[in-house]
Amino acid sequence: QQQVKQSPQSLIVQKGGISIINCAYENTAFDYFPWYQQFPGKGPALLIAIRPDVSEKKEGRFTISFNKSAKQFSLHIMDSQPGDSATYFCAASIGGGATNKLIFGTGTLLAVQP
Amino acid sequence: NAGVTQTPKFRILKIGQSMTLQCTQDMNHNYMYWYRQDPGMGLKLIYYSVGAGITDKGEVPNGYNVSRSTTEDFPLRLELAAPSQTSVYFCASRGGGRWDTEAFFGQGTRLTVV
Repeated sequence: QQQVKQSPQSLIVQKGGISIINCAYENTAFDYFPWYQQFPGKGPALLIAIRPDVSEKKEGRFTISFNKSAKQFSLHIMDSQPGDSATYFCAASIGGGATNKLIFGTGTLLAVQP
Repeated sequence: NAGVTQTPKFRILKIGQSMTLQCTQDMNHNYMYWYRQDPGMGLKLIYYSVGAGITDKGEVPNGYNVSRSTTEDFPLRLELAAPSQTSVYFCASRGGGRWDTEAFFGQGTRLTVV
């Protein structure tokens, strides 16, 4: 019930195309959904995040779409660039106090071809 | 501002040996986490802490121990190293007194058990 399921495991997109990564969760207690980006040899870094009281959040070319009833959320990368090639992780967190787990999906390796 | 610092960056252990992975942060964050990253498996939560003196198990705690005597430090101990513990280990911290804040990651420790 604590898991976050992520797909696809890998994705190849042409430069200028749209990259879409999907995640699903079971635990309705999750109340914060971030996406992290990781380049080889580096630690993950926050890309964009959303709370379940909104259905979409956009920051530049990156958009999170959130479907609370389906318990799914996705990351869309518009106009994908070779520099976006990285591993992307979705995550989910249960709010504050003594319980502050941050659970990650299995990751998606994105390759943007020039 | 150093952020989250992990040492060592690389280590080779023999089966049955013990070691401590060090993690320190200088952002006065309450929440700290240890993850392991294996190919295709994403980031699995080993242990986490919501403050000095308070720790709790994550998804894969077996074979590991932690302590949190100060706000800054959150070491991870491997008592009897096994080949299954070959992985890349990441430490992370979050703060701000709220659960929906950004997690900052260290650069990782690549551990090989032979």
